[in-house]
Amino acid sequence: EDQVTQSPEALRLQEGESSSLNCSYTVSGLRGLFWYRQDPGKGPEFLFTLYSAGEEKEKERLKATLTKKESFLHITAPKPEDSATYLCAVQAGQTGANNLFFGTGTRLTVIP
Amino acid sequence: NAGVTQTPKFQVLKTGQSMTLQCAQDMNHEYMSWYRQDPGMGLRLIHYSVGAGITDQGEVPNGYNVSRSTTEDFPLRLLSAAPSQTSVYFCASKSPLAGVAGELFFGEGSRLTVL
Repeated sequence: EDQVTQSPEALRLQEGESSSLNCSYTVSGLRGLFWYRQDPGKGPEFLFTLYSAGEEKEKERLKATLTKKESFLHITAPKPEDSATYLCAVQAGQTGANNLFFGTGTRLTVIP
Repeated sequence: NAGVTQTPKFQVLKTGQSMTLQCAQDMNHEYMSWYRQDPGMGLRLIHYSVGAGITDQGEVPNGYNVSRSTTEDFPLRLLSAAPSQTSVYFCASKSPLAGVAGELFFGEGSRLTVL
């Protein structure tokens, strides 16, 4: 059965304190791994797609990496505006081409 | 450019009532979908459509009905609301150029409470 597990559930950082969020997955035939950001009361907003182990993507203070079992979202020198819930999702052959399987998210709070 | 628009934003229903959640997109996306988001659970796919006249079930389709008569609109109907359908519902679309593993554009959500 396809599974996506995100850790930690919640993370509090001081402004400027770098850290990483983890997304571990068990799927058959990974087509893509996605990171989304979700602000309170809003819909998820796309950040990155990773397709194969070893791939990395960067955007401002965020960097996403992928191995065969997990993905990390590294946050370098975060700012309060980076506070949000970060969702990981996978698209796999067994779940079908049109279904994203989401984790429960990591709620990040960056304290000024 | 409005993107994906959902209405209503909030709705309270009584058990057994029916209603329709509206979703419209102005990006000419062929793929549209409905997800529900519940505390402690990831977003789960309810129904999706790959084009006008074509719909299919997702992971949790029971109690919901969809149709797709135009490219722009993809309404979600609750036939007889139950308290278990209390949730936040998100509509999402994807560009035909995005490929199989392409990014989804989400609406802002519709929060439904069933008493």
